Amino acid sequence: LAKTTQPISMDSYEGQEVNITCSHNNIATNDYITWYQQFPSQGPRFIIQGYKTKVTNEVASLFIPADRKSSTLSLPRVSLSDTAVYYCLVDSEGGSTLGRLYFGRGTQLTVWP
Amino acid sequence: DAGVIQSPRHEVTEMGQEVTLRCKPISGHDYLFWYRQTMMRGLELLIYFNNNVPIDDSGMPEDRFSAKMPNASFSTLKIQPSEPRDSAVYFCASSLGNGYTFGSGTRLTVV
Repeated sequence: LAKTTQPISMDSYEGQEVNITCSHNNIATNDYITWYQQFPSQGPRFIIQGYKTKVTNEVASLFIPADRKSSTLSLPRVSLSDTAVYYCLVDSEGGSTLGRLYFGRGTQLTVWP
Repeated sequence: DAGVIQSPRHEVTEMGQEVTLRCKPISGHDYLFWYRQTMMRGLELLIYFNNNVPIDDSGMPEDRFSAKMPNASFSTLKIQPSEPRDSAVYFCASSLGNGYTFGSGTRLTVV
């Protein structure tokens, strides 16, 4: 089961682009990379998932290099409301490792005015 | 859809009392998970069900913890007897097999 390593915390200012990098050296061929966001007093919520190259949605972009041993979540022009904990997970789509996903401690992103 | 519904949102109880947390998953989701979150340990998986059947309970800390899923729309997590170290936020999540939807959690305080 691939575990991930990500920074404990990051700080940014409003309007800046934030990049959070996650290391997953033991990622398996059929594993996907998924990011969740958690606000205080709420459960984590799915924000983006990818397998390789680049994925973009209305919230974020996910960059995955060819070797897939790391990934970078990019948040464009952050605002104060982006202050949250961001979790990087590796899992096998289809649920074969579902239930043994490792959330870890995540990255606490704090956005300052 | 109302999402995953947990109750109560907050629970304060005395050490030694029984505590029951409740969860209603999203209709149609066949996986249900119970997680516990603390500052020290982060988000930990306690147990998960597939089609109402417990699949992996290796994360349940000890025999004081038990979980049931009598039907597809309801699950409980029970702690008996409760201890101060059980104080945490307990999350329920459901899934169709890819991606989780979490509830808002139950903040449990055992005094």
